[in-house]
Amino acid sequence: EPEVTQTPSHQVTQMGQEVILRCVPISNHLYFYWYRQILGQKVEFLVSFYNNEISEKSEIFDDQFSVERPDGSNFTLKIRSTKLEDSAMYFCASSDRGYNEQFFGPGTRLTVL
Amino acid sequence: AQSVTQLGSHVSVSEGALVLLRCNYSSSVPPYLFWYVQYPNQGLQLLLKYTSAATLVKGINGFEAEFKKSETSFHLTKPSAHMSDAAEYFCAVTPGSGSARQLTFGSGTQLTVLP
Repeated sequence: EPEVTQTPSHQVTQMGQEVILRCVPISNHLYFYWYRQILGQKVEFLVSFYNNEISEKSEIFDDQFSVERPDGSNFTLKIRSTKLEDSAMYFCASSDRGYNEQFFGPGTRLTVL
Repeated sequence: AQSVTQLGSHVSVSEGALVLLRCNYSSSVPPYLFWYVQYPNQGLQLLLKYTSAATLVKGINGFEAEFKKSETSFHLTKPSAHMSDAAEYFCAVTPGSGSARQLTFGSGTQLTVLP
């Protein structure tokens, strides 16, 4: 069964460093998403991406964040200068149509020290 | 704008008992609704979805949910709990029209199944 994969599973970084979180969506999906879940809190939407551009973004997704689909298979989230409060689990998701269910990856746990 | 309220951050049931997890939503347009389950240290797995067809939807692992527009509810039920059902459950809503749409999640309900 096709699945969304994410690498790395756990990333530890120093405050102020740049990190890139990688995702491989399901191959025939066209819509891509990033969510995050701070420990003990609800899952929050960050950004959606379709047709090589951002469709929607939340208030969390400020200038420190960017997304890219560098090739036909990967979807990345970059945080330019990490802050302590960026520590969270980051989930990538994809869907074949915007109104269909989103399939989630296993997440990347980001720890900012 | 959409929002989801899950009543009860923790629910405990005995094995074999009825599971009822509550979800109420608010949406300015007809919604699509989802229940996801998260097992420890894993991602989110879709249990079931409502996308404006049948109001009673059946999902995996014996779960079902009923969309009640008059009550703005989408409660999740399972007739008989199993130990393997212990997990965190999230209700989510998205607008039922438009293109790519963000999911808005509730705060989650941790289900404990007692032997």
